[in-house]
Amino acid sequence: AQSVTQLDSQVPVFEEAPVELRCNYSSSVSVYLFWYVQYPNQGLQLLLKYLSGSTLVKGINGFEAEFNKSQTSFHLRKPSVHISDTAEYFCAVSVRSSASKIIFGSGTRLSIRP
Amino acid sequence: NAGVTQTPKFQVLKTGQSMTLQCAQDMNHEYMSWYRQDPGMGLRLIHYSVGAGITDQGEVPNGYNVSRSTTEDFPLRLLSAAPSQTSVYFCASSYSGGANVLTFGAGSRLTVL
Repeated sequence: AQSVTQLDSQVPVFEEAPVELRCNYSSSVSVYLFWYVQYPNQGLQLLLKYLSGSTLVKGINGFEAEFNKSQTSFHLRKPSVHISDTAEYFCAVSVRSSASKIIFGSGTRLSIRP
Repeated sequence: NAGVTQTPKFQVLKTGQSMTLQCAQDMNHEYMSWYRQDPGMGLRLIHYSVGAGITDQGEVPNGYNVSRSTTEDFPLRLLSAAPSQTSVYFCASSYSGGANVLTFGAGSRLTVL
């Protein structure tokens, strides 16, 4: 069975600083990887996904993530954060199957200081 | 398009009561799932379905039942509510699981006293 670990429960950063949110996964087979974002008092929406091909994936709002198979990681990065990036970020994994369940991590709360 | 519709948005139950959280989607998605969100625990998969008549357990299925009689609907039943089931519940759907992006409902906040 697949699983995902988000290493930081909270990440405080100053506005315009870079940020990295860490995600590691575990699976005995190949996987699909996702980052979702939840803004305060809202549901979840997709930030970006890795299915195959280039290991560097670009998403919405200037975020990007890099798939590293040897490290079993899928860390999320942004070179310069804005107050509006304040949210909770979830990493998710599913195995390479047409009808695989999707498992989420415990989330990382990103707080931006002015 | 309505997307994924969850009802009710808020519910307060007493221990031992039963209730059903409703989830409906109008996107002809085959895959539907229920998650619960608790502080520090992220989203944990309760049950999921890959099509009408097919359901399977997720990470935390105990205390919950589901059925999938139609493609559109995937209700979640609490047979005897417990305080440990106090949580925010999200229904999510996609064309199939795997590589497809989930569309989430707005959530249902349940409090069990």
